[in-house]
Amino acid sequence: NAGVTQTPKFRVLKTGQSMTLLCAQDMNHEYMYWYRQDPGMGLRLIHYSVGEGTTAKGEVPDGYNVSRLKKQNFLLGLESAAPSQTSVYFCASSSPLDIREIYEQYFGPGTRLTVT
Amino acid sequence: AQSVTQPDIHITVSEGASLELRCNYSYGATPYLFWYVQSPGQGLQLLLKYFSGDTLVQGIKGFEAEFKRSQSSFNLRKPSVHWSDAAEYFCAVGPGGSQGNLIFGKGTKLSVKP
Repeated sequence: NAGVTQTPKFRVLKTGQSMTLLCAQDMNHEYMYWYRQDPGMGLRLIHYSVGEGTTAKGEVPDGYNVSRLKKQNFLLGLESAAPSQTSVYFCASSSPLDIREIYEQYFGPGTRLTVT
Repeated sequence: AQSVTQPDIHITVSEGASLELRCNYSYGATPYLFWYVQSPGQGLQLLLKYFSGDTLVQGIKGFEAEFKRSQSSFNLRKPSVHWSDAAEYFCAVGPGGSQGNLIFGKGTKLSVKP
């Protein structure tokens, strides 16, 4: 049982390049989230999904797109990377057995992205 | 808007000393409250959670937290800190609703002196 995994672990992009971050979970969770972590800022929600085929914007969605084609996977895309997107990206998942457990989120190890 | 404040950016304690990390939240009702720990280069691990009921909650690794409604606080405590507790600690609020988005504080980095 791997939990939440993220691919890749590290990546360096040039400004304007595109890439996709992959998050996979094997816990059969309905809800999945993408956060970014910046020094002194804590974690901020980018996008989230409450089920296969559904996505919604979080606090800082600009410059990112997401897709949830399969229940176990949640992809985060950067169409044209900018230096402001240099960050550590965390994926999380949760299972809404009841309203409280939605918030009990399991996190992946993170992807460190640098945009030059 | 809901917010979470962790007033201390960095705290240093001696090994064996007690620890208290502060967390205050701004929210109209009683939110769901969480503490997460992040070791260097790692993801976040849930330490403990508060939904309702007993205001003193126990978590993993010997941590506990107390919810004080009158102070809008959810402070994290440990009676005796170990060197392995050195990490960054995040307080988070689940404001209710069906989206499940957590609102995080900016974190407190804990250093432990031998």
